[in-house]
Amino acid sequence: QVQLQQSGPGLVKPSQTLSLTCVISGDSVSSNSATWNWIRQSPSRGLEWLGRTYYRSKWDSHYAGSVRSRITITPDTSKNQFSLQLNSVTPEDTAVYYCARDDGRGLVRLDIWGQGTMVTVSS
Amino acid sequence: QSVLTQPPSASGTPGQRVTISCSGSNSNIGINTVNWYQQLPGTAPKLLIYRNNQRPSGVPDRFSGSKSGTSASLAISGLQSDDEADYYCAAWDDSLNGLWVFGGGTKLTVL
Repeated sequence: QVQLQQSGPGLVKPSQTLSLTCVISGDSVSSNSATWNWIRQSPSRGLEWLGRTYYRSKWDSHYAGSVRSRITITPDTSKNQFSLQLNSVTPEDTAVYYCARDDGRGLVRLDIWGQGTMVTVSS
Repeated sequence: QSVLTQPPSASGTPGQRVTISCSGSNSNIGINTVNWYQQLPGTAPKLLIYRNNQRPSGVPDRFSGSKSGTSASLAISGLQSDDEADYYCAAWDDSLNGLWVFGGGTKLTVL
């Protein structure tokens, strides 16, 4: 079955870059139907979609307006994974971060989620 | 402030039926399907309902969903103690380049 395994540091200093990775098993990051998403959850902002990457004869990425100037989501086909980079973090970026798959095929659902990574932004 | 609106809390006794509402707008629920998630403490959200009323395999038929206009509902019948969790609605929003939007969550307490 499809699984997503997240990794990355749990503590990031203000103004630095938050980097997380999501390894995919049971599916391919190059799938022509799925999209690969990052979502975060905090008490103040609730569940917040950050962005996605996907392959449809070429790679594309879309980002939420709230983080568009600071975020990059990139696929790595050699390792079948995708990554999140969020620059210039502040304490407001403290949250649990999740990767998730939308399996496409017209179903429009985030059906598989990673286990979550608690990231604290603090000096 | 979440884009989709849910009541912050709901409660019921074992065996009862409870419903949780989710209100959106013409750019999300009004034109796209609704998903529901169950989140137990310390775990990731789990897909409970997709395409308004479809259950993934393994989800009991005690859980059902419906949609009308720009609102949706999740119903849980035969309430059990391990249904105590947070429940979230979600939908794709066609604003701008598109994005996933979520409700603020409803904490269900089984009395």
